Amino acid sequence: DIQMTQSPSSLSASVGDRVTITCRASQDVSRYVNWYQQKPGKAPMLLIFTASTLQSGVPSGFSGSGSGTDFTLTISSLQPEDFATYFCQQTYSVPYTFGQGTKLDIK
Amino acid sequence: QVHLQESGPGLVRPSQTLSLLCTVSGGSISSGGFYWSWIRQHPGKGLEWVGSIDYFGNTYYNPSLKSRLTMSVDTSKNEFSLKMSSVTAADTAVYYCARGILVLRSSNWLLSHFDFWGQGTLVTASS
Repeated sequence: DIQMTQSPSSLSASVGDRVTITCRASQDVSRYVNWYQQKPGKAPMLLIFTASTLQSGVPSGFSGSGSGTDFTLTISSLQPEDFATYFCQQTYSVPYTFGQGTKLDIK
Repeated sequence: QVHLQESGPGLVRPSQTLSLLCTVSGGSISSGGFYWSWIRQHPGKGLEWVGSIDYFGNTYYNPSLKSRLTMSVDTSKNEFSLKMSSVTAADTAVYYCARGILVLRSSNWLLSHFDFWGQGTLVTASS
């Protein structure tokens, strides 16, 4: 199985901060990485697919980059509604696997 | 807007079979280009892909769970289902159904991402 390792596991930041979350795959996954946001008690919501494509309706302050084994999710200016847990996922091969999550909370 | 809704018992006895249903509205399950999928999340933990099915009934299971899984699709009712046999406490989780988008890669239709999710249903395996 391909392991997806996110860093950091948790992060404290302030409204207006620029935040970057990284995800490293245990082997080359080309660009088949997605990012999801999850709020407590809710289902995950797709933010970015295929490394850098913004899902329709997602604010433009979210962006993704990377290929191969290293990927990043960037939030350019944190908004109050962005405090949540973020997961990366690879769909390069079965079983599709997720990172362990990065919990972003208010400093 | 596609909407997915899970239903099923919230409590399953150990060694019994977990059965869940996902009802899809706002779109036809018979439309090509999708994997209808189950993903679970253990309490306070990360996400685990369980399995997917297309509208032809072709199934794709997580190898770690494959021996205990059965997925099916009912296009007439616009719903798909999950059965997991021989459950243990380790199967206690929130189970989500989701729509997976297929894209053409190297001449094959393969999963790209999950764009719509149900709200999730907690299943507890306990006596």
